[in-house]
Amino acid sequence: SQTIHQWPATLVQPVGSPLSLECTVEGTSNPNLYWYRQAAGRGLQLLFYSVGIGQISSEVPQNLSASRPQDRQFILSSKKLLLSDSGFYLCAWKGGTWGTQYFGPGTRLLVL
Amino acid sequence: AQKVTQAQTEISVVEKEDVTLDCVYETRDTTYYLFWYKQPPSGELVFLIRRNSFDEQNEISGRYSWNFQKSTSSFNFTITASQVVDSAVYFCALSAAGDSSYKLIFGSGTRLLVRP
Repeated sequence: SQTIHQWPATLVQPVGSPLSLECTVEGTSNPNLYWYRQAAGRGLQLLFYSVGIGQISSEVPQNLSASRPQDRQFILSSKKLLLSDSGFYLCAWKGGTWGTQYFGPGTRLLVL
Repeated sequence: AQKVTQAQTEISVVEKEDVTLDCVYETRDTTYYLFWYKQPPSGELVFLIRRNSFDEQNEISGRYSWNFQKSTSSFNFTITASQVVDSAVYFCALSAAGDSSYKLIFGSGTRLLVRP
């Protein structure tokens, strides 16, 4: 069966520091991968998606970037965090032909 | 443009009551997918159901049921005999089949509180 991991689970970072969040999927190959952000008490916003290694599409211009160095690894990064980067970051993968996305446990990021 | 509207921000019910969560969507695509996800306090989004636009059959799964009506662009979710464990935020989402990214457009979510 497929599983999706995210780490770290929680992160507190000062403004201006770098960021690296990692997402890995097991049990599937060549999945579509997604990064979403959920601000406190808000809905989910798609940040990036990837249909293959090295292929990244950005949905929202921002302070963040994404990379996919391996088939089942998706990384969210920032060189300098802003207060507005605080939120809950969810990684998801899509398998099959019907478009169902399955989500990881998420990373709570607090920028102080 | 695609859009999902969940007009109910928060619903509070007493255990064993039935509750319906509303979802209205907008899309120009003829083929699309609709989803419901549950987000418990732990934060992880749990997939509940997917419905394809060409399949208007309603579905029942235990205490959960879904009513899909293309005529009104609605995909409502009913919980029968609600339980405290049903307390969570529920999101409705839309994906267009013609979009190779299969990205999800989410509604703003409905927070359900089931009181004992």
